[in-house]
Amino acid sequence: SAVISQKPSRDICQRGTSLTIQCQVDSQVTMMFWYRQQPGQSLTLIATANQGSEATYESGFVIDKFPISRPNLTFSTLTVSNMSPEDSSIYLCSVGTVANTGELFFGEGSRLTVL
Amino acid sequence: QQQVKQSPQSLIVQKGGISIINCAYENTAFDYFPWYQQFPGKGPALLIAIRPDVSEKKEGRFTISFNKSAKQFSLHIMDSQPGDSATYFCAASGGSNYKLTFGKGTLLTVNP
Repeated sequence: SAVISQKPSRDICQRGTSLTIQCQVDSQVTMMFWYRQQPGQSLTLIATANQGSEATYESGFVIDKFPISRPNLTFSTLTVSNMSPEDSSIYLCSVGTVANTGELFFGEGSRLTVL
Repeated sequence: QQQVKQSPQSLIVQKGGISIINCAYENTAFDYFPWYQQFPGKGPALLIAIRPDVSEKKEGRFTISFNKSAKQFSLHIMDSQPGDSATYFCAASGGSNYKLTFGKGTLLTVNP
């Protein structure tokens, strides 16, 4: 399995500001996804991070609020823009390879609290 | 629309007992069914997974049972240990996009 590093691991932010979360993988991966896990809840897919092109967003998530970059096969960023307390969640990077035939591995997550 | 329904929401089991968590899905295009284990403050860890071509898969104390006609699958944890206390999520994906749809999770507590 891939080793996934997320930064920051946690942060406390003020309403109206933006925060960028980084996801670094120790090997080249085909698939990279960003999930959100609200406190005590399940995981919801935000978007698929596509290398060198615009991310593919799920229903209810938009690029202006959650811009995503993926410049290469091992790195991606998720920005949470113009934050409100409702954005307080754990944001998780997930990766997979075609060789793993569907297996997805998750980072430790970035715990975001918005005051 | 919730595509993967998981039950129970919480489960308390005595040490040495069997823990059973159930999931049901609606989308017949799903062809990959993993279970994830999540400890507090950690990311979900892949525990075990199954595809529809088999009805059961066992890895150590963990077994997935799969019923394609009923569109249900379940996780059995044999000889449950206090260290198994965690939240368990079932999930499903289909086709080549690898996108996972998660159940709502089951908080398992194993009492010593």
